[in-house]
Amino acid sequence: DAKTTQPPSMDCAEGRAANLPCNHSTISGNEYVYWYRQIHSQGPQYIIHGLKNNETNEMASLIITEDRKSSTLILPHATLRDTAVYYCIVRVFHGSGNTGKLIFGQGTTLQVKP
Amino acid sequence: NAGVTQTPKFQVLKTGQSMTLQCAQDMNHNSMYWYRQDPGMGLRLIYYSASEGTTDKGEVPNGYNVSRLNKREFSLRLESAAPSQTSVYFCASSEDSARTNEKLFFGSGTQLSVL
Repeated sequence: DAKTTQPPSMDCAEGRAANLPCNHSTISGNEYVYWYRQIHSQGPQYIIHGLKNNETNEMASLIITEDRKSSTLILPHATLRDTAVYYCIVRVFHGSGNTGKLIFGQGTTLQVKP
Repeated sequence: NAGVTQTPKFQVLKTGQSMTLQCAQDMNHNSMYWYRQDPGMGLRLIYYSASEGTTDKGEVPNGYNVSRLNKREFSLRLESAAPSQTSVYFCASSEDSARTNEKLFFGSGTQLSVL
């Protein structure tokens, strides 16, 4: 199973874009990259996921490099409420019977400052 | 719309005591999961239920049992609590664990301390 590497912490000014990097150099061709965040010990919250192409939703954008060895989560206009631990996760899909196993790393603590 | 509801939110046990953590979801999801989170360890999967009537072990199942009571409810039981089971427990659900674009929805957690 692929593992991910993230910086332990980052700061971002309120209103600016927050760019959170993730390295997943051992990722396999059928493994999706997921991003979740956890605000102050609440349950993790789904943000976005992708396989090869860049993705965008109402919360964020996900940029995946062409070789798929790294990705960047972009919060376009960070607010104080975006302060959280952000997890980059690789989910393995083996076909039928997949457990939805999420391999959580240490995550990046994003501090959004006024 | 409550989503995933866990009870209790906090619990203190003595070593050797037993208890059941309750989880219910109102999203008509097929799959449910129990995770534990320890400081510096991320989340680890204890047990999961791909669909009503099935349960399977995850990464760290020892010391736990589960019951998928019906489609809505998935309980986690500690038969004889140990200090190593002090952790925050999260229940989650998803539409179908076999889908490639699966999203998990988590409850707010149960903080368990075993003395």
